[in-house]
Amino acid sequence: DAEITQSPRHKITETGRQVTLACHQTWNHNNMFWYRQDLGHGLRLIHYSYGVQDTNKGEVSDGYSVSRSNTEDLPLTLESAASSQTSVYFCASSSRHTNTGELFFGEGSRLTVL
Amino acid sequence: KQEVTQIPAALSVPEGENLVLNCSFTDSAIYNLQWFRQDPGKGLTSLLLIQSSQREQTSGRLNASLDKSSGRSTLYIAASQPGDSATYLCAPSRGGYQKVTFGTGTKLQVIP
Repeated sequence: DAEITQSPRHKITETGRQVTLACHQTWNHNNMFWYRQDLGHGLRLIHYSYGVQDTNKGEVSDGYSVSRSNTEDLPLTLESAASSQTSVYFCASSSRHTNTGELFFGEGSRLTVL
Repeated sequence: KQEVTQIPAALSVPEGENLVLNCSFTDSAIYNLQWFRQDPGKGLTSLLLIQSSQREQTSGRLNASLDKSSGRSTLYIAASQPGDSATYLCAPSRGGYQKVTFGTGTKLQVIP
């Protein structure tokens, strides 16, 4: 079955370190997204990509970057982790071809920045 | 800016009850609306997606309705079961794959 996987599922790091969260999907979807989920804020969009070599900033992109070198992967990098980036991060994907916009999510990566 | 409100924030019901979860949104110019389920420590699972031209969608014991003009959607769960316990989120999209706004959810507990 097609799926979307995130790694690591749990990560503890220190302030100032660089962290990369991986997202891999086997749906062959063009569109991929990174969200963060925090109590009281719901899910907020960090970055998104509509295809290879395409990346765009979302609502809360400061301190984060992404790159899209192939269809399957959209890694999220925190260049210099801050305590405010402690959160649960979700990767999602959708197909451009079905025209429904239905989103499919990974299981999430819980990041703690000390 | 689209704002999404889900009421109630939490709900506890005995097993077997029929229940309704409410979602309201401020911008009625939506492309579609998706209902998700989230279990603790897990990702979001898509339950139902309603296109803007549709009034409702059904899947098993779940029925979602959409009234764009009033900015409302409801998720009806028939004959609730303990396995339905989870947080339910609605997410209207204003068009463009990135323009999805999530509600903060309704946490449902079904008591055996």
